[in-house]
Amino acid sequence: AQSVTQPDIHITVSEGASLELRCNYSYGATPYLFWYVQSPGQGLQLLLKYFSGDTLVQGIKGFEAEFKRSQSSFNLRKPSVHWSDAAEYFCAVGAKAGGTSYGKLTFGQGTILTVHP
Amino acid sequence: DADVTQTPRNRITKTGKRIMLECSQTKGHDRMYWYRQDPGLGLQLIYYSFDVKDINKGEISDGYSVSRQAQAKFSLSLESAIPNQTALYFCATSGAGGPSDTQYFGPGTRLTVL
Repeated sequence: AQSVTQPDIHITVSEGASLELRCNYSYGATPYLFWYVQSPGQGLQLLLKYFSGDTLVQGIKGFEAEFKRSQSSFNLRKPSVHWSDAAEYFCAVGAKAGGTSYGKLTFGQGTILTVHP
Repeated sequence: DADVTQTPRNRITKTGKRIMLECSQTKGHDRMYWYRQDPGLGLQLIYYSFDVKDINKGEISDGYSVSRQAQAKFSLSLESAIPNQTALYFCATSGAGGPSDTQYFGPGTRLTVL
């Protein structure tokens, strides 16, 4: 069964600083990887996803993530954080369930990002 | 208008009461999901549905039931609510493209069981 670990429960950065949120996954085959963001009082919004091709993936809001198979990681990065990026971030891995093509999503525990002015 | 809507947005109920959470979508997707979110645990899948006639249990289905009334509507019921079902509940939808398909989430329902 697949699993996802986000080692950092809470990260605080200053506005304008760079950001890296860590995500490690466990899955026996090529994973389908996602980063979602949840702003306060909102549902989850997709930032980016990886399922094949270039291992550096660009997403919305200036975010990018790099898939590293050797490290089983899919870390999220942003070069300069804005105050509006304060939110909770979830990494997820999708995999086929049984004989179907359904993508069962397994989520990490989430990382809360606080941005100081 | 939002593509995925959930009603109610907030609900306080008492132990033993029956409660229904509703989800509607205008994305035309066949697949719909119910998750619950607890602090520090991420999201856990309760039930999912491939189409109106295909409903499947997720990781934590005990104490919950669902109904897929139409392609666009998927309801979650707690037959007899208990305090440890206090959580944030999300509905999501996706197309039928497979594991790489994006899931689109509603705004959530915050349920408190006293």
